[in-house]
Amino acid sequence: AQTVTQSQPEMSVQEAETVTLSCTYDTSESDYYLFWYKQPPSRQMILVIRQEAYKQQNATENRFSVNFQKAAKSFSLKISDSQLGDAAMYFCASRWGTSYGKLTFGQGTILTVHP
Amino acid sequence: DADVTQTPRNRITKTGKRIMLECSQTKGHDRMYWYRQDPGLGLRLIYYSFDVKDINKGEISDGYSVSRQAQAKFSLSLESAIPNQTALYFCATSDAPGLAGVVEDEQFFGPGTRLTVL
Repeated sequence: AQTVTQSQPEMSVQEAETVTLSCTYDTSESDYYLFWYKQPPSRQMILVIRQEAYKQQNATENRFSVNFQKAAKSFSLKISDSQLGDAAMYFCASRWGTSYGKLTFGQGTILTVHP
Repeated sequence: DADVTQTPRNRITKTGKRIMLECSQTKGHDRMYWYRQDPGLGLRLIYYSFDVKDINKGEISDGYSVSRQAQAKFSLSLESAIPNQTALYFCATSDAPGLAGVVEDEQFFGPGTRLTVL
């Protein structure tokens, strides 16, 4: 089975500091896409960042960046200069091969930001 | 106005009742999805539809049915609700891959429906 695993149910960070959320996955496919979604208390799911498996360069979106280690099947999210508005549940997700549109989600990590 | 809307936002029902959750979108997307979110399990795909005439079962379709009434509308039904269907339900949409300016597989989510089955 192809899986996505987030082993950190909860994480916390001080405002302005950096935090890294972990995600590992298991697949035998060579073509896949990885995502991080944010779910604030409003429940709205928001795409944070996306990485294509065939790209070696790590994706970056402003304060958000990923560390994609393909051989280790690891896809962590780094949030720099954390802000109070970053507090949310974060989900790692994947789309395998030709399973167009079908996302597999991890269990989620609750991030708390302390002022 | 929100691009993806879900009704109701919250619902409490009793075991054995039939319930329908509705989703509408104004994004013009062909693809629509239903997920459920449970604590510690993340989101799991229930059904998905790539166009009005194409409906497919997802990971956990047992106990659910769907109807794609139009490109913009996708409804999820629980024929006979049971307590372990208590969850947060999300509708999502996405555009077809390969279109200019489309981030492939970016899904746009509705605000969710919190369903409680007593």
